[in-house]
Amino acid sequence: DAGVIQSPRHEVTEMGQEVTLRCKPISGHNSLFWYRQTMMRGLELLIYFNNNVPIDDSGMPEDRFSAKMPNASFSTLKIQPSEPRDSAVYFCASSVQGTSGVNEQFFGPGTRLTVL
Amino acid sequence: LAKTTQPISMDSYEGQEVNITCSHNNIATNDYITWYQQFPSQGPRFIIQGYKTKVTNEVASLFIPADRKSSTLSLPRVSLSDTAVYYCLVGESDYKLSFGAGTTVTVRA
Repeated sequence: DAGVIQSPRHEVTEMGQEVTLRCKPISGHNSLFWYRQTMMRGLELLIYFNNNVPIDDSGMPEDRFSAKMPNASFSTLKIQPSEPRDSAVYFCASSVQGTSGVNEQFFGPGTRLTVL
Repeated sequence: LAKTTQPISMDSYEGQEVNITCSHNNIATNDYITWYQQFPSQGPRFIIQGYKTKVTNEVASLFIPADRKSSTLSLPRVSLSDTAVYYCLVGESDYKLSFGAGTTVTVRA
C-alpha cells in the first residue's frame, strides 16, 4: 500500500485566497483525521471522520475552515479565505477503528502551507 | 483529556539505552498509553501502545507501573537515526488524544 497520500506537498498562496488540501487514506481504513502542526501550538487535531461522517470538529479553528469526506477514499480540508496565521504543516492520518480503544494512526507526509 | 508531562529534550550517544518517562497522574480507567515518533519533515509514526505492565515490540519497550500514573518508553541501543521527537499520548479513543510538545531526543556519535 502507498500509505496515506496528501496533495499538494507544498502550497504557497496569498492572503484571502482559497486553499484546498487533499488526502487519500489507506484503503480499508474507516477513520480519518486532519491535524495542523506549528512551532507555537504543536500538533493539533482539527477534525475526525469515522465512516465518512464527521464525528468531532471541535478543533476546527473557525468558520474559514471546512472539511469534507465524500467517500471512503478521499477527503478535503478547505480554508477560505486564508490568512498568514494559517501557515502550518497540515497532516492527514487514517486508521482502522475497532470496537474500542485507541488505534494506530498512519500519517501522511503532510502539506506545508505558507500564506503570504 | 489526561494531561501528560514529559521532558522537553534528552541527549544520548549511539549504542546507549534511552528511557523517556511520561507522567500522567490523572489517567482514567479506560485510557491507553500510546507513543509516537516524529522525524523532521515527516508525520508522526506509531511506536508502541500499552494499558498496564510491560509491552515490547521490535522497536521499543513500554513499562507501566501498577498505578499507571506514569510510563517509560525504552529505546535500546539507539543510533543516529533515532534522533526524533517522541510523543506520549493518553486517552480512551482515537480522537481524544493530545500530542503535546513531546520529547526531542538527540543521539550523538
